[in-house]
Amino acid sequence: AQSVTQPDIHITVSEGASLELRCNYSYGATPYLFWYVQSPGQGLQLLLKYFSGDTLVQGIKGFEAEFKRSQSSFNLRKPSVHWSDAAEYFCAVGANDYKLSFGAGTTVTVRA
Amino acid sequence: DVKVTQSSRYLVKRTGEKVFLECVQDMDHENMFWYRQDPGLGLRLIYFSYDVKMKEKGDIPEGYSVSREKKERFSLILESASTNQTSMYLCASSFREGRETQYFGPGTRLLVL
Repeated sequence: AQSVTQPDIHITVSEGASLELRCNYSYGATPYLFWYVQSPGQGLQLLLKYFSGDTLVQGIKGFEAEFKRSQSSFNLRKPSVHWSDAAEYFCAVGANDYKLSFGAGTTVTVRA
Repeated sequence: DVKVTQSSRYLVKRTGEKVFLECVQDMDHENMFWYRQDPGLGLRLIYFSYDVKMKEKGDIPEGYSVSREKKERFSLILESASTNQTSMYLCASSFREGRETQYFGPGTRLLVL
């Protein structure tokens, strides 16, 4: 079965600074990988996903992520953070059986 | 736009009550899911359904049951609510293939007293 680890529970970043959120997965074959964002009181919204092809994936809201098979990682990045990026971020891994396994989440705080 | 709606945003129930949480999607998705979200644990799958009247247990099905009588509607049932079922419940739906995006509802925050 697949699993996901998000090593950072909480990250604080200044507005305008860069952001990187880490995600490590465990799965034997090529996984499907997703990043979701959850704003306070809301459901989850897809930021981006990877299932094949170019390992650098562009998403919404200026986010990107890079799949590195050798490191079993799928880290999320944003060059310049806005106050509205304060939220909880979830990495998820899927396989052909359409079930997703989610990480525990990383909470991002943006300071002015 | 895909829309997944959940019947309640907040619910307060008493221990032992039977609780129904309903989810409706408007995208003709084959798959529907119920997750539970707790701080520090992420999302854990309770049950999912890949077709009408079809269901499979997820990682934490104990104390829950589900019903899918119509393609667009997926219900989660707590037969006898307990305090350890106080949580945020999220419904999601997707097309059948494994790489398809799951679309989430806004969640129901359930408090069991």
